[in-house]
Amino acid sequence: EPEVTQTPSHQVTQMGQEVILRCVPISNHLYFYWYRQILGQKVEFLVSFYNNEISEKSEIFDDQFSVERPDGSNFTLKIRSTKLEDSAMYFCASRVDGNTEAFFGQGTRLTVV
Amino acid sequence: DQQVKQNSPSLSVQEGRISILNCDYTNSMFDYFLWYKKYPAEGPTFLISISSIKDKNEDGRFTVFLNKSAKHLSLHIVPSQPGDSAVYFCAATGAGSYQLTFGKGTKLSVIP
Repeated sequence: EPEVTQTPSHQVTQMGQEVILRCVPISNHLYFYWYRQILGQKVEFLVSFYNNEISEKSEIFDDQFSVERPDGSNFTLKIRSTKLEDSAMYFCASRVDGNTEAFFGQGTRLTVV
Repeated sequence: DQQVKQNSPSLSVQEGRISILNCDYTNSMFDYFLWYKKYPAEGPTFLISISSIKDKNEDGRFTVFLNKSAKHLSLHIVPSQPGDSAVYFCAATGAGSYQLTFGKGTKLSVIP
């Protein structure tokens, strides 16, 4: 069964460093998302990506964050100058279209120290 | 501004009985609702969905009910099994947006 895959599963980084979280969405899907979940809190929307551009972003997704789909299969989230409060589980998701369920990856646990 | 609310942070149910998880929403433009199940350190797994043109959708042991006038939906699990123990998230989409807006989740514990 097709699935969304994320790497790495766990990333530890020093405050102020840049990290890139990687995702391979399901191949025939057209909508891509990043969500995050801070420990004990709800799953929060960061950004959606369609037709090679950002379609929506939340207030969390400021200039520190960027997304890219460099080669037609990978979908990456870059976090520049990481802060302690960026520590969270980051989930990538994809959908066939805007009216179907989203499939989530297993997540990347980001720990900023 | 919580557009999707799950007011019960936790629920305990005896194995074999019915589990009822509730969700309320405030945005009347939402037109598609989903339930996800999540185990610790894993991504959310899609369970079942319902479009706003329906009031019920069933898939095996899982049934979702939608009451549009009350802006309320519920997930029924019958019979509940210990493997159903997880955090259940309600999500909604629509209103000209393709993002999924999640509730805070309800932790279900099914006691053998």
